[in-house]
Amino acid sequence: QKEVEQNSGPLSVPEGAIASLNCTYSDRGSQSFFWYRQYSGKSPELIMFIYSNGDKEDGRFTAQLNKASQYVSLLIRDSQPSDSATYLCAVSKSWGRDDKIIFGKGTRLHILP
Amino acid sequence: DVKVTQSSRYLVKRTGEKVFLECVQDMDHENMFWYRQDPGLGLRLIYFSYDVKMKEKGDIPEGYSVSREKKERFSLILESASTNQTSMYLCASRDRGRTGELFFGEGSRLTVL
Repeated sequence: QKEVEQNSGPLSVPEGAIASLNCTYSDRGSQSFFWYRQYSGKSPELIMFIYSNGDKEDGRFTAQLNKASQYVSLLIRDSQPSDSATYLCAVSKSWGRDDKIIFGKGTRLHILP
Repeated sequence: DVKVTQSSRYLVKRTGEKVFLECVQDMDHENMFWYRQDPGLGLRLIYFSYDVKMKEKGDIPEGYSVSREKKERFSLILESASTNQTSMYLCASRDRGRTGELFFGEGSRLTVL
């Protein structure tokens, strides 16, 4: 089983609708969870992070974490064409003295005007 | 603003050449990472470092080595480049104390002929 799994997409969502992106992880010891957005030809940039079970909201974005199910999701409300990008789920896990960050392969999101 | 600078955006090398990819960050971050990104495979961790002269293997260290002589600089070395090392290489740094966010450089696209 891969450490961090995402559906590669593409996920097509009409403008103004809610986009729902999902991610599962295999290591129950994982501590921190991140969503990065990556536009074509650009580097990833952080849009959300979450540590505790439940929901965390920031503007149009909501991250949801369920540690029992080893599941983290990202909801984007009122989707805009500028949200079209690849969304990378990342997980932090302890590794020796520190921790390492492992990424899923990413989900391509396409917002239809 | 945090800045992570990678020395070369585009490189073309020949099989067997030694390749150095340099990365410098200006925010006094403890952690630095090297990833490679390939279509369909996502971001894969090559090596990371949590302190000067300290390094940890990531998931795909074979064929690579790293050097961290100063806190701000983390170098990736390909001792003898091969065609399967043609890829986009992304350096990142991280402040362990805050969100744990990774800050990425712009990437170095390496082509090995």
